[in-house]
Amino acid sequence: KQEVTQIPAALSVPEGENLVLNCSFTDSAIYNLQWFRQDPGKGLTSLLLIQSSQREQTSGRLNASLDKSSGRSTLYIAASQPGDSATYLCAVFSGNTPLVFGKGTRLSVIA
Amino acid sequence: NAGVTQTPKFQVLKTGQSMTLQCAQDMNHEYMSWYRQDPGMGLRLIHYSVGAGITDQGEVPNGYNVSRSTTEDFPLRLLSAAPSQTSVYFCASSSSGWGEQYFGPGTRLTVT
Repeated sequence: KQEVTQIPAALSVPEGENLVLNCSFTDSAIYNLQWFRQDPGKGLTSLLLIQSSQREQTSGRLNASLDKSSGRSTLYIAASQPGDSATYLCAVFSGNTPLVFGKGTRLSVIA
Repeated sequence: NAGVTQTPKFQVLKTGQSMTLQCAQDMNHEYMSWYRQDPGMGLRLIHYSVGAGITDQGEVPNGYNVSRSTTEDFPLRLLSAAPSQTSVYFCASSSSGWGEQYFGPGTRLTVT
């Protein structure tokens, strides 16, 4: 059974700092991995989707990498801003059921 | 293009009542799914559908029913509400299993 773990559970950084969020999964036979952002009381917003054949995806200040063989993904946020404060979730699609989610990393960027 | 819509946004039920949470998408997506989100538990899959007329159970299906008569709609029925079903419910859709998932804004359900 696929399990997804995100470390740390919470992170607080000063504005302007570059940061990395981690996601690991137990079964490397995945089709893709997706990173989401969730603001308090809101739904999930897709940030980046990495297919299993890709190593990374970039969108603005965000860069996500995927290492299938080691079962790891990272989300790199450059020059963090207070508006980046949210919970970040990663989820994997393994082909047998829809997405399996990690429990998320709650990010606070302090001005 | 409204994306994924969910109604109602908030609902309070008494134990034993039944209700249907509505989900609709206008992107012609084949895949639709229902998740519940609870503090400390993350998002857990309830039921999913890979196309009209096809549904399957996820991780936590007990107490919930689904049907998929059209591509656009995927309602979630609570048969006899219990306090353990107090949660935030999210509907999602994608063009395929390996496609980008789009989420609705959620329904916050309280069962007293």
